[in-house]
Amino acid sequence: EAGVAQSPRYKIIEKRQSVAFWCNPISGHATLYWYQQILGQGPKLLIQFQNNGVVDDSQLPKDRFSAERLKGVDSTLKIQPAKLEDSAVYLCASSSGGLGEQYFGPGTRLTVT
Amino acid sequence: KQEVTQIPAALSVPEGENLVLNCSFTDSAIYNLQWFRQDPGKGLTSLLLIQSSQREQTSGRLNASLDKSSGRSTLYIAASQPGDSATYLCAVRTQGAQKLVFGQGTRLTINP
Repeated sequence: EAGVAQSPRYKIIEKRQSVAFWCNPISGHATLYWYQQILGQGPKLLIQFQNNGVVDDSQLPKDRFSAERLKGVDSTLKIQPAKLEDSAVYLCASSSGGLGEQYFGPGTRLTVT
Repeated sequence: KQEVTQIPAALSVPEGENLVLNCSFTDSAIYNLQWFRQDPGKGLTSLLLIQSSQREQTSGRLNASLDKSSGRSTLYIAASQPGDSATYLCAVRTQGAQKLVFGQGTRLTINP
């Protein structure tokens, strides 16, 4: 069974530029999560989708971050404009249900200069 | 608000030793607790998932215990190997919520 796929793996941008990340969850998993992991910290949930609806986006900085999950499968996370403090690893995870075991992708390491 | 703490932040032990990693949480009304492993530059790999009704789970050389009343979980690693070197994270799912709340992790180094 294929795991969670993410791209790109690395991205370097200048502040005030925009960037987008892509995630393809495990086939059949209805729930998809985006986490932000700052160096030395545990992951923090940004947004959770159930199929193509948002379950929790309480910690998403909505003035600059946006996410969508069209057709309830793939998802994109966008940052516009980026700030220095957005430098982090962005992790995508999926599960078969909202309370199920979560499986993580390899992450995208973002550096904002 | 659920808060998860892992102590110590870093641990270095010689190969072959048995060791314990600690995780504590502030709200004992949890649905489940999950232990993950993270290698440098990689995503998270799930190690063990303990439901709130369980006291422990075992997988190979790993054993995780859960004491909800005291808000604690431990991850026991037997006969440690250099390949066990990684950051270990625990995460809690509180009842009534679906999101995982993570600790900051323990960076483990096993010296040959």
